[in-house]
Amino acid sequence: RKEVEQDPGPFNVPEGATVAFNCTYSNSASQSFFWYRQDCRKEPKLLMSVYSSGNEDGRFTAQLNRASQYISLLIRDSKLSDSATYLCVVNKTYYQLIWGAGTKLIIKP
Amino acid sequence: IAGITQAPTSQILAAGRRMTLRCTQDMRHNAMYWYRQDLGLGLRLIHYSNTAGTTGKGEVPDGYSVSRANTDDFPLTLASAVPSQTSVYFCASSGGGGDTDTQYFGPGTRLTVL
Repeated sequence: RKEVEQDPGPFNVPEGATVAFNCTYSNSASQSFFWYRQDCRKEPKLLMSVYSSGNEDGRFTAQLNRASQYISLLIRDSKLSDSATYLCVVNKTYYQLIWGAGTKLIIKP
Repeated sequence: IAGITQAPTSQILAAGRRMTLRCTQDMRHNAMYWYRQDLGLGLRLIHYSNTAGTTGKGEVPDGYSVSRANTDDFPLTLASAVPSQTSVYFCASSGGGGDTDTQYFGPGTRLTVL
């Protein structure tokens, strides 16, 4: 089993729709969780950190479920510019992050 | 310079050759990292440095070496390249180096080993 697993997609979603995807992780001791965004094999960029209480940033909402060991990302009112690959990231040690392979999202007009 | 730069942008290399990928940051970040990204896999940590003068091994360090002579530069060397090292290499940095810090990435180096 991979340490961080994501559905590779692609998720094909019409503009304006709501889309959600999950990421599961295997290390129950993990404490830090993130969603990064990567466009077309360019460099990853932080989208948001994921806190225990859940957090929201505009149209994006992230949730953490420690009991089931998954984090989720919800995108509301999706825009064409949201098309990207979303990378789930979980810490393994203080200096090492484990990266999921990513979920590809395609927003269609 | 603003952020992190990497050089070269891309490179085709014959197997057995030595290659150094360069990474420079101007954000005065303490920690720097080298990752490789392969299709279908997440980014995998090769080596890291939590401050100038120190380095550590990541998940896939074999065949690679790094040095951190100063805060800004973190070169990655392939002593004798092999085809399995064909990948996209990303350098990253973060302020404190802890696992809660945002990592900022360079644009990547696309390396093909033939």
